[in-house]
Amino acid sequence: DGGITQSPKYLFRKEGQNVTLSCEQNLNHDAMYWYRQDPGQGLRLIYYSQIVNDFQKGDIAEGYSVSREKKESFPLTVTSAQKNPTAFYLCASRPQGAFSGANVLTFGAGSRLTVL
Amino acid sequence: ELKVEQNPLFLSMQEGKNYTIYCNYSTTSDRLYWYRQDPGKSLESLFVLLSNGAVKQEGRLMASLDTKARLSTLHITAAVHDLSATYFCAVLTDSNYQLIWGAGTKLIIKP
Repeated sequence: DGGITQSPKYLFRKEGQNVTLSCEQNLNHDAMYWYRQDPGQGLRLIYYSQIVNDFQKGDIAEGYSVSREKKESFPLTVTSAQKNPTAFYLCASRPQGAFSGANVLTFGAGSRLTVL
Repeated sequence: ELKVEQNPLFLSMQEGKNYTIYCNYSTTSDRLYWYRQDPGKSLESLFVLLSNGAVKQEGRLMASLDTKARLSTLHITAAVHDLSATYFCAVLTDSNYQLIWGAGTKLIIKP
């Protein structure tokens, strides 16, 4: 079955460490997204990529980095510069082009990062 | 700047009752999405509303869009426990093909 796989599901990090969250999709989608979710808040966009080797900052990109070397993969690195990284991170993807009735975001199961 | 507000943010109701969740947004948009999230889980697409007056229904849930009022509603009819979840609306911005998300409405349905 096609879908989005995020790993790890749970991750603990000490302050000052960088960590990388994996996102892999086999949906043949061109666009991929990383969102951050905090309790009681909506999703906030960290980075997105519409094509391989290209990505754009979202609203809260500071302290995060991404790469898009393959269509299927869009890993997110949470760096030590991110002051409050404890959150639930969601990866999503969708086909190329404008949002439409058929062109909607498909989400992975999420990764919960806790800073000790 | 597009802002999306949902209300209520928390709703506890009895099975069998009807209720409505509201999603207001601040600037022009003609595409609105509703998603459902179970605790600790991913988001599942419920409805896509693409034009003024659009109405979609699935089971006990019905969503509508009024682009002139910049308002979408998610109506729950004769609620059942399985509908307990957090419901998010998201609105498409005119540029950058991005969605702006509401804070979510946590719905608890008691037997």
